[in-house]
Amino acid sequence: AQSVTQLDSHVSVSEGTPVLLRCNYSSSYSPSLFWYVQHPNKGLQLLLKYTSAATLVKGINGFEAEFKKSETSFHLTKPSAHMSDAAEYFCVVSDFLNSNSGYALNFGKGTSLLVTP
Amino acid sequence: ETGVTQTPRHLVMGMTNKKSLKCEQHLGHNAMYWYKQSAKKPLELMFVYSLEERVENNSVPSRFSPECPNSSHLFLHLHTLQPEDSALYLCASSQAGPGELFFGEGSRLTVL
Repeated sequence: AQSVTQLDSHVSVSEGTPVLLRCNYSSSYSPSLFWYVQHPNKGLQLLLKYTSAATLVKGINGFEAEFKKSETSFHLTKPSAHMSDAAEYFCVVSDFLNSNSGYALNFGKGTSLLVTP
Repeated sequence: ETGVTQTPRHLVMGMTNKKSLKCEQHLGHNAMYWYKQSAKKPLELMFVYSLEERVENNSVPSRFSPECPNSSHLFLHLHTLQPEDSALYLCASSQAGPGELFFGEGSRLTVL
């Protein structure tokens, strides 16, 4: 099964400083990778996705992630944090279940991003 | 508006109750999913329906019973739950394949 590991359970940054949320993946084939964000008491929203096209993927709200096969990483970055970025972030890999089931998403444990004034 | 609507948003039930969670998607997708989100644990895939047929049951206890009457609706029937079943239950939909899932806002379940 394909899996992801989010290296930090909590990250705290000051408003206006860069954001780095780290994710490593484990996959036996070329993976499809995603970052989702979850604000308090909300569902999950897709930030960006990598599906074997450009290795640098741009998403919504100024976030981007770079797929690095040599490092098996898919870290999420943003040049300047806003207060509204405070949320839970999930790194996700698409996993092929079987020929009947197709695909499902496997989630990392999440990184809680705190943005301080 | 995410295109995936879940009701109720909050549910409190006793261990002997029977209740149901409902999910409806307006995106024309052909696959629907139930995930469980507990504190301190990763999201757990519970069930997958593709073309209205259940294709995955991820070792979920029988006290959880899914139903998918058509491609737009998905239910999770709950019966004799345990307090450890308290969690946020998320419904999602997608087009079959390794693409993104679209999530509802979840149903927060508390079992007393």
